[in-house]
Amino acid sequence: EAQVTQNPRYLITVTGKKLTVTCSQNMNHEYMSWYRQDPGLGLRQIYYSMNVEVTDKGDVPEGYKVSRKEKRNFPLILESPSPNQTSLYFCASSTTGTAYGYTFGSGTRLTVV
Amino acid sequence: QKEVEQDPGPLSVPEGAIVSLNCTYSNSAFQYFMWYRQYSRKGPELLMYTYSSGNKEDGRFTAQVDKSSKYISLFIRDSQPSDSATYLCAMSAGDFNKFYFGSGTKLNVKP
Repeated sequence: EAQVTQNPRYLITVTGKKLTVTCSQNMNHEYMSWYRQDPGLGLRQIYYSMNVEVTDKGDVPEGYKVSRKEKRNFPLILESPSPNQTSLYFCASSTTGTAYGYTFGSGTRLTVV
Repeated sequence: QKEVEQDPGPLSVPEGAIVSLNCTYSNSAFQYFMWYRQYSRKGPELLMYTYSSGNKEDGRFTAQVDKSSKYISLFIRDSQPSDSATYLCAMSAGDFNKFYFGSGTKLNVKP
């Protein structure tokens, strides 16, 4: 089944404790992206990657890091999480060169206390 | 001003009703318009995709784009309880790295 897999689905952590949210897709998509979803603000792009070793900032990159060492994986790293990073996070992928839209993962609900 | 505005609802309708969901936008360069459906505790899934102006129909769903008014709509005919979800509009100017999403409209279809 073609899908984007995120882990974990739920995470509660403390301020300052480094964490990684993993994302993997099995569709051989070149393009991958991370979004956060907050009530009233909708989906906001954090980072995106056009292909292996090519990443760039989205609209809200502060406090986040990403890497793209393999085509299928695009982990999101929070080096020092803060409570304002409490949110619902989605990874998405698509074929570059089309605006047909994304395939999204099921989301990771992160709570930073 | 947000790039894309969408009424958050919630919108509650009886089963069988015709539902109209709308978004307005400010960037006249947008050419690609999408509707996503998001069930509770799930990621958004692509429902409809339209390029430029006009209508597109897929079963009970019709997407309309009016570029002169910067207004897009999604119509759902004969709505079903299974249509209960949050509907997100999204659009792009053709920069395939960049999509702008509305904040979503929550729809509840009552049996």
